[in-house]
Amino acid sequence: NAGVMQNPRHLVRRRGQEARLRCSPMKGHSHVYWYRQLPEEGLKFMVYLQKENIIDESGMPKERFSAEFPKEGPSILRIQQVVRGDSAAYFCASSLKQGGGQPQHFGDGTRLSIL
Amino acid sequence: SQELEQSPQSLIVQEGKNLTINCTSSKTLYGLYWYKQKYGEGLIFLMMLQKGGEEKSHEKITAKLDEKKQQSSLHITASQPSHAGIYLCGADPNTDSWGKLQFGAGTQVVVTP
Repeated sequence: NAGVMQNPRHLVRRRGQEARLRCSPMKGHSHVYWYRQLPEEGLKFMVYLQKENIIDESGMPKERFSAEFPKEGPSILRIQQVVRGDSAAYFCASSLKQGGGQPQHFGDGTRLSIL
Repeated sequence: SQELEQSPQSLIVQEGKNLTINCTSSKTLYGLYWYKQKYGEGLIFLMMLQKGGEEKSHEKITAKLDEKKQQSSLHITASQPSHAGIYLCGADPNTDSWGKLQFGAGTQVVVTP
């Protein structure tokens, strides 16, 4: 499967725990984007990363959320001390290059549920 | 910031009939992307439009971007059950923010026998 791989598909956490969401981009893609889809809301941009660099994190909450895309391995979206409002579907997308005309290809998402 | 309005919010179409979904922006669209999402799954890329007046087709789906680059439509001809799902339009907000896609709320399509 050469598509964007996200794991886990479903993640359940209790309030106060940490959640780690992983994303492996399509082969050859070095640009990764994270989006969040809250219940009854649209898809919202969170952060854009290239290998080892955060390019744009303007959509990321200032506290508890962080993202990385190391030289080796998948991109990680980390949520510390989760709260009920963090329950959502988190999607990762990747593209070959930056710039206009570069479609993003999405993974199947991680559904995060907070008890 | 740019807002994308999709209409209708949902529609039910009989198998074999045509349908059209619209995506309208208050600002110029620099890159317009159409995706399809099935419940509980990820987004499947359908088409990308960039130039005013551009039109693209793939199988029974045609997407257009108007000359002013503020409105796009997605047209499905002779709908089939496989066309059911949520259709999302997304756009680059400006030329300085490539990749930071903004999405419409989606149009849910139901295809009945």
